[in-house]
Amino acid sequence: QVQVVQSGAEVKKPGASVKVPCKASGYTFTTYTMHWVRQAPGQRLEWMGWINAGNGNTKFSQKFQDRVTFTSDTSASTAYMELSSLRSEDTAVYYCARALGTSGYLPIDHWGQGTQVTVSS
Amino acid sequence: DIVMTQSPESLAVSLGERATINCKSSQSVLYTSNNKNHLAWYQQKPGQPPKLLIYWASTRESGVPDRFSGSGSGTDFTLTISSLQAEDVAVYYCQQYFSSPLTFGQGTKVEIK
Repeated sequence: QVQVVQSGAEVKKPGASVKVPCKASGYTFTTYTMHWVRQAPGQRLEWMGWINAGNGNTKFSQKFQDRVTFTSDTSASTAYMELSSLRSEDTAVYYCARALGTSGYLPIDHWGQGTQVTVSS
Repeated sequence: DIVMTQSPESLAVSLGERATINCKSSQSVLYTSNNKNHLAWYQQKPGQPPKLLIYWASTRESGVPDRFSGSGSGTDFTLTISSLQAEDVAVYYCQQYFSSPLTFGQGTKVEIK
């Protein structure tokens, strides 16, 4: 069955970077797009962008495009999100989540369990 | 950016009664080339990731109980739980996937009265 598995929690200092992995299984990794969505405490879900796992094309929310990088390792069926210049407002649960197909303009049908990233001095 | 606004922010419904959640988008999410509304509904329980319930505004995801239904078109949408069960206590989000950035509503918390 389709699974999207994320790593455990990360604690980082302000100004540092974090790289969050997301391992997919149970489907052909390269034929789907992977979204990244974050959720700060008590806040709504916030879309960060996506990566087409097949061709590596990316699209970013303008809010994050200067600080975020999406990559994918097709041999390991793993997507990565790296966020730099961390600040306290970046404290949130970060989800990777698979789109229903190749296009990013599709609903999200499988979500990872989330990675808690805490930014604190 | 398309702003998604849900109402109410919370509601309490008796077991077995109907729950209705509304979602309004700041511009139409109906894609004329495929005549589909790019609107999804998700359920999120505490400590869990969201779960897809409805997409294309009214298509139920596989395995979702038929007490969940979606309706609406253009800018106004509704999620209905026809007979609320205890396991339906959650926060519900609408989302548009019509244009970037993809955006979510602020969520509606559903509780048992």
